Amino acid sequence: AQTVTQSQPEMSVQEAETVTLSCTYDTSENNYYLFWYKQPPSRQMILVIRQEAYKQQNATENRFSVNFQKAAKSFSLKISDSQLGDTAMYFCAFMKPGDKIIFGKGTRLHILP
Amino acid sequence: NAGVTQTPKFQVLKTGQSMTLQCAQDMNHEYMSWYRQDPGMGLRLIHYSVGAGITDQGEVPNGYNVSRSTTEDFPLRLLSAAPSQTSVYFCASSVRVGYGYTFGSGTRLTVV
Repeated sequence: AQTVTQSQPEMSVQEAETVTLSCTYDTSENNYYLFWYKQPPSRQMILVIRQEAYKQQNATENRFSVNFQKAAKSFSLKISDSQLGDTAMYFCAFMKPGDKIIFGKGTRLHILP
Repeated sequence: NAGVTQTPKFQVLKTGQSMTLQCAQDMNHEYMSWYRQDPGMGLRLIHYSVGAGITDQGEVPNGYNVSRSTTEDFPLRLLSAAPSQTSVYFCASSVRVGYGYTFGSGTRLTVV
């Protein structure tokens, strides 16, 4: 069975700094998808970024980028120039084709003014 | 488009009562799922569906039933509520594999 591990339960960084959230996963599949979701205090789940395993190029969305290391089964999220609005719970997630999404337990990120 | 609509947003039940959490999407998505979110546990999959008439169990299915009679609707039924089912419940849908889920705004359920 696939598992997703987020080793940092909680992190704090100063506004405008860069922060990296870690995620590792375990799978025997070769083709799959990885996601980062953001959950602000409003409780809404928001898709931040997605990565297709067969693409070597790391996905980027504005200030958010990932470091996808397929051999190491690692999928970290980097937030550049962090803003107060980035304060949220961040979930890493894994999905193999035709199957459900499996979430990690999350990292609570605090952006400090 | 309304996206994924969950009702109600809040609910208090007494132990032993039954109820249905509603979920509807207007995006013609094939994939739909129900998750529960508990502190320190992340999101755990209850049930999911890959299309109308097809459902399957997730990680924590006990005490819950689902059905998928239409593409749009995916209700979650609590058969006999227990305090252990106090949680925030999310419904989510996806157009196809790999596109990630669109989530509803959640239902906070308290069982007393």
